[in-house]
Amino acid sequence: QITLKESGPSLVKPTQTLTLTCTFSGFSLSTPAVGVGWIRQPPGKALEWLAVIYWDEDKRYRPSLQSRLTITRGTSKNQVVLTMTNMDPVDTATYYCAHKGDLGPGVFDNWGQGTLVTVSS
Amino acid sequence: SYELTQPPSVSVSPGQTASITCSGDKLGYNHACWYQQKPGQSPVLVIYQDTRRPSGIPERFSGSNSGNTATLTISGTQAMDEADYYCQAWDSSDGGVFGGGTKLTVL
Repeated sequence: QITLKESGPSLVKPTQTLTLTCTFSGFSLSTPAVGVGWIRQPPGKALEWLAVIYWDEDKRYRPSLQSRLTITRGTSKNQVVLTMTNMDPVDTATYYCAHKGDLGPGVFDNWGQGTLVTVSS
Repeated sequence: SYELTQPPSVSVSPGQTASITCSGDKLGYNHACWYQQKPGQSPVLVIYQDTRRPSGIPERFSGSNSGNTATLTISGTQAMDEADYYCQAWDSSDGGVFGGGTKLTVL
């Protein structure tokens, strides 16, 4: 059974850096074709893909946010970390991490519960 | 940048067929997938590779993709299917692209 859970601050100030951790179980990020992605959803708005890291360390970012995003493996082999610099109130959203298996590029078949991040002074 | 367009809302009567479209330039040359999201819950994958259903997804959910439009079809729609639905495709330049979402109302 695949599970993922996001953790990090619920409140950050403008200009600060956000660091979110995705802790997962039930799969290995060393398995070919596997990836872990981050997706966010502002309140009442649509899903927005942010980044993905693959089993072979390949990484892809949303072009409009690429300069602010970094996705890495965590210190534990069952963790993935997303950092976003220079946070702004428009970045207020629920942030999800999700598992990408072998169902196709960018197809996320298991999602975490999400964590709400509010950007406010 | 690559964009996917969905109608904001679709209404359907119980037991009828609901169709939700997703339009994008040459979308038929990509694979589309669909997610269902109920209020306060995380998205759930209901269709991938245009037409395939993950295990556990009812047969009443089906998909198609041709030309510039992918379509999610729900046959014999039930009240439990009321949710937001998002299409998604992978673009070589933009990465994962989601549509704006469609609110399905069963009334």
